[in-house]
Amino acid sequence: DGGITQSPKYLFRKEGQNVTLSCEQNLNHDAMYWYRQDPGQGLRLIYYSQIVNDFQKGDIAEGYSVSREKKESFPLTVTSAQKNPTAFYLCASSPSGTHPYGYTFGSGTRLTVV
Amino acid sequence: DQQVKQNSPSLSVQEGRISILNCDYTNSMFDYFLWYKKYPAEGPTFLISISSIKDKNEDGRFTVFLNKSAKHLSLHIVPSQPGDSAVYFCAAWEGTSGTYKYIFGTGTRLKVLA
Repeated sequence: DGGITQSPKYLFRKEGQNVTLSCEQNLNHDAMYWYRQDPGQGLRLIYYSQIVNDFQKGDIAEGYSVSREKKESFPLTVTSAQKNPTAFYLCASSPSGTHPYGYTFGSGTRLTVV
Repeated sequence: DQQVKQNSPSLSVQEGRISILNCDYTNSMFDYFLWYKKYPAEGPTFLISISSIKDKNEDGRFTVFLNKSAKHLSLHIVPSQPGDSAVYFCAAWEGTSGTYKYIFGTGTRLKVLA
């Protein structure tokens, strides 16, 4: 079955530690996205990549980093510079980054920093 | 500044009645719109879309209406069912000025009462 997989579903980290969230898709989609959801804030775009080896900052990129070395993979690193990292993180993909195809979302990773 | 707004954070409807979820946008260049449904701790799933060349799109119990002059779209669910209880996001496609992405609203939590 084609889909987008985020792992792990729940992640706990100590304050000051970097953590990397995994996102893998086998849909052969060109574009991939990372969103953060906080209560009452909707979906806020962190980073996106329209094609492999390229990515752009979204609306709230500070304290995050990404890479897109393979078409299937778009890992997100939450660094110690991110002031409020505890949130629900969603990864999405789309067949094209330049056409309005809908996004397919993963099931999310809930990150808790203690 | 929020370009896509869902001004009602929550909505309660009796089972069998109509649910109407609203979404306003500010940019007249937005030309494609989506609605997503999201259950807690899961990723959003695509519900229905509409292009700016149409004013209505229907899929089973779900109908989306677009009023371009008012920059307003709405999602109608008839009849509402308890399984429809979820958070609904509208999204508008920004495909101008070299930026290509969906902009999401803040969501409306729908509760269908049995």
